[in-house]
Amino acid sequence: SQQGEEDPQALSIQEGENATMNCSYKTSINNLQWYRQNSGRGLVHLILIRSNEREKHSGRLRVTLDTSKKSSSLLITASRAADTASYFCATGGGTALIFGKGTTLSVSS
Amino acid sequence: SQTIHQWPATLVQPVGSPLSLECTVEGTSNPNLYWYRQAAGRGLQLLFYSVGIGQISSEVPQNLSASRPQDRQFILSSKKLLLSDSGFYLCAWSVRDSAYEQYFGPGTRLTVT
Repeated sequence: SQQGEEDPQALSIQEGENATMNCSYKTSINNLQWYRQNSGRGLVHLILIRSNEREKHSGRLRVTLDTSKKSSSLLITASRAADTASYFCATGGGTALIFGKGTTLSVSS
Repeated sequence: SQTIHQWPATLVQPVGSPLSLECTVEGTSNPNLYWYRQAAGRGLQLLFYSVGIGQISSEVPQNLSASRPQDRQFILSSKKLLLSDSGFYLCAWSVRDSAYEQYFGPGTRLTVT
């Protein structure tokens, strides 16, 4: 079953704007990850946030985690056309991750 | 550095034909290995994962099987393809005993006609 659920399903913005996408999950987690997938390519790991962390930054990426609401958000600041991709959250422990269905981000110049 | 290879990149196969997709990892030892399928516009569905040679766990019942004949080789197979097997197949690896960061291959686009 799907653990993470991204919202919105699709997002269209202009270059320079910020993009925010959200992920909700159902059960307790040890960590949550965000991945990016360019069209027709494999996934690339972006950032991992642990359950005892509330916010994490990596370059233009900012991830927040609210374990009480079972939700996370990914903020991409000053977006570029190259940020056009699908973004997935993933949760899990043990040996396997469970991915959400993703948010498709389109950044136009 | 570690790299992961998948081949072929694209494949068109008729219904009822066999399938063999291969994935190999370089630069690491004893990885966890994963096969995912992604239908058009959908998320990733975990098909199989392996924590060691000959050790395969199946996540969903299906027309597919997986094998791990060597530590860094993971093969996805089918004896008879169905139309519903069409999709984008992704192989990934992670550090043993960890479901943390996964590293994905470039994928294989399979079209069953």
